[in-house]
Amino acid sequence: DVKVTQSSRYLVKRTGEKVFLECVQDMDHENMFWYRQDPGLGLRLIYFSYDVKMKEKGDIPEGYSVSREKKERFSLILESASTNQTSMYLCALSSQVNYGYTFGSGTRLTVV
Amino acid sequence: DQQVKQNSPSLSVQEGRISILNCDYTNSMFDYFLWYKKYPAEGPTFLISISSIKDKNEDGRFTVFLNKSAKHLSLHIVPSQPGDSAVYFCAAVGGSNYKLTFGKGTLLTVNP
Repeated sequence: DVKVTQSSRYLVKRTGEKVFLECVQDMDHENMFWYRQDPGLGLRLIYFSYDVKMKEKGDIPEGYSVSREKKERFSLILESASTNQTSMYLCALSSQVNYGYTFGSGTRLTVV
Repeated sequence: DQQVKQNSPSLSVQEGRISILNCDYTNSMFDYFLWYKKYPAEGPTFLISISSIKDKNEDGRFTVFLNKSAKHLSLHIVPSQPGDSAVYFCAAVGGSNYKLTFGKGTLLTVNP
């Protein structure tokens, strides 16, 4: 089975801090995604990547950036954390031959 | 513009009865549909999918029905069990894009 590992389950950060959320896969899947989940708003796509060093904006990229220097690792960066970025962050990946996503366990980020 | 809509934020059913979760879509390019299940503090997990060339797909207690003319799909769970209590997300994909579009989710509560 494909494994998607998110480095932290719970994080508490202060307003203005730079925050790094890491996502690592143990397979060779090309497509990786970062979502945030908020009550009543569902899953919203922040950024995604189809390959190393490639990135594309999703629906809500403002306040975020990403990095994909190696195929197995996709990082989400909050340049200056704000309280409205308190959320559950989910990393997902898929292969080119399968539409299904495999999700990580999520990181619950609280910005105070 | 919400391309995948789950109009019921929540649904409550009795154990042993049928649960029916609904999903509507607007994009005619969508040709593959998926349902994901999410427990609190966990990432979503794939449940069942259906291609647009079919109108029904069954897997154990779970059946997905697709009505292309109405741009509507539904997930039936029979019989419902308390362990089915979770948020269910409908998702769709189509064209050359591997990016899933998710609905906002429906919280299913199965009462013992």
